[in-house]
Amino acid sequence: QQQVKQSPQSLIVQKGGISIINCAYENTAFDYFPWYQQFPGKGPALLIAIRPDVSEKKEGRFTISFNKSAKQFSLHIMDSQPGDSATYFCAASGKTSGSRLTFGEGTQLTVNP
Amino acid sequence: DTGVSQDPRHKITKRGQNVTFRCDPISEHNRLYWYRQTLGQGPEFLTYFQNEAQLEKSRLLSDRFSAERPKGSFSTLEIQRTEQGDSAMYLCASSPKRGGQETQYFGPGTRLLVL
Repeated sequence: QQQVKQSPQSLIVQKGGISIINCAYENTAFDYFPWYQQFPGKGPALLIAIRPDVSEKKEGRFTISFNKSAKQFSLHIMDSQPGDSATYFCAASGKTSGSRLTFGEGTQLTVNP
Repeated sequence: DTGVSQDPRHKITKRGQNVTFRCDPISEHNRLYWYRQTLGQGPEFLTYFQNEAQLEKSRLLSDRFSAERPKGSFSTLEIQRTEQGDSAMYLCASSPKRGGQETQYFGPGTRLLVL
């Protein structure tokens, strides 16, 4: 079954803190794992993505950690800022499924000033 | 590169009416995807095109839904005989033809409300 489970559903962090969002997947055919950020009334915007041949990828304040054996991956937002307050979605896709994205349920992040 | 655009941004219709949405992908992106997102949920895949060919349709796409991409550029999504359960955000995404095939760039969405 193609399913991606995301936690937590909501997260409150103080400014400057680290936000951590976790995802787990079931389909071993998935080979691409992006994270999207979505503000209310807007479409999802790609933040960062990883392939299973690396265990970590960092872009600015955003880091993806990937554990292939556990079929889990996570997003770390360092030095969280109030402007990071948004809903974050993990997703997964594989060439065998036409690269269509299967999304997690989303995490609503609030960063308090 | 102006990004993926969608029109209209909002649509209110009465149950039973037909609606049509348009998506203009990023120039030269050969893949175009349609997703549906309900409140508090992640987007769900509906269908996708490679150039003008519709390659896959989700079981979510009932017979009342039809999508086209006649010239391999813009796409339309039509919903016939709308139902209140069709109320959602309809998202379009496109991905490039060379490298990064999986990287999908989303438009702002069309929010549909069926009364």
